[in-house]
Amino acid sequence: EIVLTQSPGTLSLSPGERATLSCRASQSVSNIHIAWYQQKPGQAPRLLIYGASTRATGIPDRFSGSGSGTDFTLTISRLEPEDFAVYYCQHYTDLPVTYTFGQGTKVEIK
Amino acid sequence: QLQLQESGPGLVKPSGTLSLTCAASGDSISSTHWWSWVRQPPGKGLEWIGEIFHTGRTNYNPSLNNRVTISVDTSKNQFSLRLSSVTAADTAFYYCARIYCGGGICNYGKDVWGQGTTVTVS
Repeated sequence: EIVLTQSPGTLSLSPGERATLSCRASQSVSNIHIAWYQQKPGQAPRLLIYGASTRATGIPDRFSGSGSGTDFTLTISRLEPEDFAVYYCQHYTDLPVTYTFGQGTKVEIK
Repeated sequence: QLQLQESGPGLVKPSGTLSLTCAASGDSISSTHWWSWVRQPPGKGLEWIGEIFHTGRTNYNPSLNNRVTISVDTSKNQFSLRLSSVTAADTAFYYCARIYCGGGICNYGKDVWGQGTTVTVS
């Protein structure tokens, strides 16, 4: 079973700063199986990135995903007020089919 | 534009069965996508429950110990979740979501979500 570990647990930043969120898999995984979500209080998650680096429809280009193997990163180039939220990474495997989420990183206003 | 809406009882007794339905509008359940359930206990992270294709093919989270059944009703354009033998640990916000698949390829991201519904086991 693949475990996703996100770090840090909480990231305290100011608007305009760069945010770098990490997602580490317990074993090497395929890039196409990694996705990132944003969740604000009281709302459903929102897909940001799939295939480790492809932005979902309507996602601003300040969000970018990268990585390979066991280490993946979500970067928010310049934080906007609406970006303060919890972010989750997700992995898919087909042996058997399972989706696993990381525990989340909270990006809070400093 | 696709919209998903969950519905079902908000309160279930311990050892009972949780039943939820997700109604789709703006897209057909019989399209090329997979349809999934995800839950989130209060103050905690996300957990995948399972998914279904319109043909009835399903995949379930092994950690739920065979308590899960997901079914589809293409005539009503909806799919449903049943979770048996519930305990307080099953208290959560339950979401339905679409996994986009096109051209024979899925992107494995859940791109459309319902607003979610809270279920309390008590």
